[in-house]
Amino acid sequence: DIQMTQSPSSLSASVGDRVTITCRASQASRNFLAWFHQKPGKAPKLLIYDASTLHTGVPSKFSGSGSGTDFTLTISSLQPEDCGTYYCQQYKSYPLTFGGGTKVEI
Amino acid sequence: EVQLVESGGGLVQPGGSLRLSCAASGFTFSHYWMGWARQAPGKGLEWVATIKQDGSEEYYVDSVKGRFSISRDNSKSSLSLQMSSLRAEDTAVYYCVRARSDYADYVFLDYWGQGSLVTVSS
Repeated sequence: DIQMTQSPSSLSASVGDRVTITCRASQASRNFLAWFHQKPGKAPKLLIYDASTLHTGVPSKFSGSGSGTDFTLTISSLQPEDCGTYYCQQYKSYPLTFGGGTKVEI
Repeated sequence: EVQLVESGGGLVQPGGSLRLSCAASGFTFSHYWMGWARQAPGKGLEWVATIKQDGSEEYYVDSVKGRFSISRDNSKSSLSLQMSSLRAEDTAVYYCVRARSDYADYVFLDYWGQGSLVTVSS
């Protein structure tokens, strides 16, 4: 199984800050990596797939990069609606696996 | 607009069974892989199962193999998850997910339902 490790597990930032979250895979995942955002009590929403492709309707302040084992999600200018938990997930092989999550607070 | 609406959750005793259903709309159901994911209270996300467009392939996380069965009815745009021999550790919100494949059968989960809570407790 491919294990996904996210860091940090939580962070606190200010409105307008640039925020970066990292995700490391235990085996090479090519670019089969997705990022999700979940607000408390709500379903997760897809932000990015194929490591760097923005999902429909996702604002351009979100960006993703990386390939192989190391990936990053960047929020260029943090806004209050961006708080919540962010998850990475690999889909290179089954079982599909998620990182442990990064809780973002403002 | 893609809509996924789960139903069938509730309280069940350990060892019992439950069937979750998902009604899909806003897209051509038969063109997509579909699946289930779950989230235990206060915990992270876990993928549970995925089924191919025509039902010919199914994949499960090890912890539910032999106990859960995913199925679909393309004529009704519906997805199901039959759960048996339920354990306390199966307690979670279960999400119906659409799985999109742009390249071969590598699928990512692009839309999620609002979830249905399953509680396994005596």
